[in-house]
Amino acid sequence: AQKVTQAQTEISVVEKEDVTLDCVYETRDTTYYLFWYKQPPSGELVFLIRRNSFDEQNEISGRYSWNFQKSTSSFNFTITASQVVDSAVYFCALSEAISNFGNEKLTFGTGTRLTIIP
Amino acid sequence: DAGVTQSPTHLIKTRGQHVTLRCSPISGHKSVSWYQQVLGQGPQFIFQYYEKEERGRGNFPDRFSARQFPNYSSELNVNALLLGDSALYLCASSLDLRSYTFGSGTRLTVV
Repeated sequence: AQKVTQAQTEISVVEKEDVTLDCVYETRDTTYYLFWYKQPPSGELVFLIRRNSFDEQNEISGRYSWNFQKSTSSFNFTITASQVVDSAVYFCALSEAISNFGNEKLTFGTGTRLTIIP
Repeated sequence: DAGVTQSPTHLIKTRGQHVTLRCSPISGHKSVSWYQQVLGQGPQFIFQYYEKEERGRGNFPDRFSARQFPNYSSELNVNALLLGDSALYLCASSLDLRSYTFGSGTRLTVV
């Protein structure tokens, strides 16, 4: 069965510090997608990134960067120069096929609550 | 463009009652998925519908059911509510079965 582990339950850092959120996953699939979502207090899950299992290149988007290492089954997320607006719960998720038609579900980790202290 | 819309935003029900939650996907999206998020946990998959057919079901009791209408909107029904059904119910729509856009959810409280 698929599993996503986010060992860090809560992290607090002072504004402008860098912070890394860890994600470790388990799957027997050879093709899968990994995701990161941000959940502000409003509850909506905001999509941040989707990464194909065949693409191990690191990705950078502004202050956000992601490090995908298949050898360690990890997909870590780093925020550089954190800001108060980054405060939220962050979820890592893994796709899993649920039909022969290409349908997939997401298996989420338990989330990491990030608090940026002004 | 409107995102995924869910209604109602908040709901309080009594144990044993029935509830219907509604979701309108992004225009053009034919897939709708439902997730349950209990406080302090990650979302758990309940159902996925595509072109009005059920394509996947998570590990939830038969009290949970759903359907998708010709306009691709969807309803999630929960019968015989239990206190443990209190959660944020999230709907996600997808165009390509690879990217998922979530709504803001319906927060259900069972008392």
